[in-house]
Amino acid sequence: ELKVEQNPLFLSMQEGKNYTIYCNYSTTSDRLYWYRQDPGKSLESLFVLLSNGAVKQEGRLMASLDTKARLSTLHITAAVHDLSATYFCAVAIMEYGNKLVFGAGTILRVKS
Amino acid sequence: NAGVTQTPKFRILKIGQSMTLQCTQDMNHNYMYWYRQDPGMGLKLIYYSVGAGITDKGEVPNGYNVSRSTTEDFPLRLELAAPSQTSVYFCASRYEDREGYEQYFGPGTRLTVT
Repeated sequence: ELKVEQNPLFLSMQEGKNYTIYCNYSTTSDRLYWYRQDPGKSLESLFVLLSNGAVKQEGRLMASLDTKARLSTLHITAAVHDLSATYFCAVAIMEYGNKLVFGAGTILRVKS
Repeated sequence: NAGVTQTPKFRILKIGQSMTLQCTQDMNHNYMYWYRQDPGMGLKLIYYSVGAGITDKGEVPNGYNVSRSTTEDFPLRLELAAPSQTSVYFCASRYEDREGYEQYFGPGTRLTVT
C-alpha cells in the first residue's frame, strides 16, 4: 500500500524566512502534485511534477521531485503572511482510476 | 466554465437519514472522483468513475453509493447516515493529455451527522 508522509505537519515561521516541506512516498510513481488549501476552502493546484529532477517555481514557492529517492520538496523563500495555509502533496498511482494518495498535510503559519 | 460544482455546501443529518451530494463538471472530463477529508487529514477516495455508466469503489466505499448516468454528473448517495460519515466531501474531475493530468476539485460539502 502506498504511503505518503509529509513533514513537518505543522510549521510556524517568521515572515522573510526560508523553509522546506518534505514529502516522502513509498512506491514508484512518476507524478507528484502539490496543493494548497485555505481554511474551509477547496484544494488549489500549485504544481504537477512529472519526471525525475523536475523543478517548478511560482512566486515564493519552488517544488522539486527526486523519483529515485521518492522525495519531493516544497521550498518557501522569504515567507509572507499570505502563504499561511495547509499544503498537501499527493502521489498518483495506477489503481482506482489513477487516484491520488494524499499526505496528511502541512499547516503553515507565517507570523508577521 | 464553472468547473466542478457541488451542492449543498453544508448539511446536518440525523443518524439514519439519507441524502445525495451532487457534483457536476462542465469540462467534459471522463474521470470523476469522490473523496472525503476528515479533520487534520488528507483526502481518501470513496468512489470513482472512468466514464458515463462506469463506476468503481475506492478505498473507503462502505456506506456510500454512486451513479454516473451522464458525463457531467456524479452524485454520491449516503444511505443510513452514521456519525463516522461526518466529514468534508470533495468531488474532483480529471483532465488528461500527453503531458499528464490534473485533478480539479469542487468547493466541497461539509456534512455533519448527529
